[in-house]
Amino acid sequence: TQLLEQSPQFLSIQEGENLTVYCNSSSVFSSLQWYRQEPGEGPVLLVTVVTGGEVKKLKRLTFQFGDARKDSSLHITAAQPGDTGLYLCAVPNFGNEKLTFGTGTRLTIIP
Amino acid sequence: EPEVTQTPSHQVTQMGQEVILRCVPISNHLYFYWYRQILGQKVEFLVSFYNNEISEKSEIFDDQFSVERPDGSNFTLKIRSTKLEDSAMYFCASRSSGNPTDTQYFGPGTRLTVL
Repeated sequence: TQLLEQSPQFLSIQEGENLTVYCNSSSVFSSLQWYRQEPGEGPVLLVTVVTGGEVKKLKRLTFQFGDARKDSSLHITAAQPGDTGLYLCAVPNFGNEKLTFGTGTRLTIIP
Repeated sequence: EPEVTQTPSHQVTQMGQEVILRCVPISNHLYFYWYRQILGQKVEFLVSFYNNEISEKSEIFDDQFSVERPDGSNFTLKIRSTKLEDSAMYFCASRSSGNPTDTQYFGPGTRLTVL
């Protein structure tokens, strides 16, 4: 069973600050995805990273896949209240591509 | 933009009752999934469905659970005799192809409350 540990579990910061959240595992993955989930809604895909060391940017969000493809980070620059939500990393299982989700980081941006 | 829809949004039932949760996946998608999320816990895989049969199921998906695609559009999850611990958000998801990096689209979920 692949275990994805996310840290921190909770993060509350002021608007305009920068932050980084992490997704770690002892397993090697062919790809890793980040989702954001808002209350009362399902997870929404933000990005998929595939190559070790890959960096992808989505506006103020920067995603990096670890060189060894065991971990990933999400960095948010100048956080906005609209960034508030539950951030989940997930890995697809080769074959039927079910997703195994991480434990999640609940982010709150204080105006 | 096409989306996955789920009904009802909230279902309250008595322990021991049967419930059916309904999903309409995106129309040209071929792979279908159910996940659940107990309050405060992580999203957990329940079952995947492809070509009109279950392709994989988790330990959670015991004999009390079943899935069905009764027509070309709906995908249902049935719990025969609900237990208190079945209370959770249930998410349906669909995907168009077998490409491992293809996007899985999630519905808004059904909140199941078992009393």
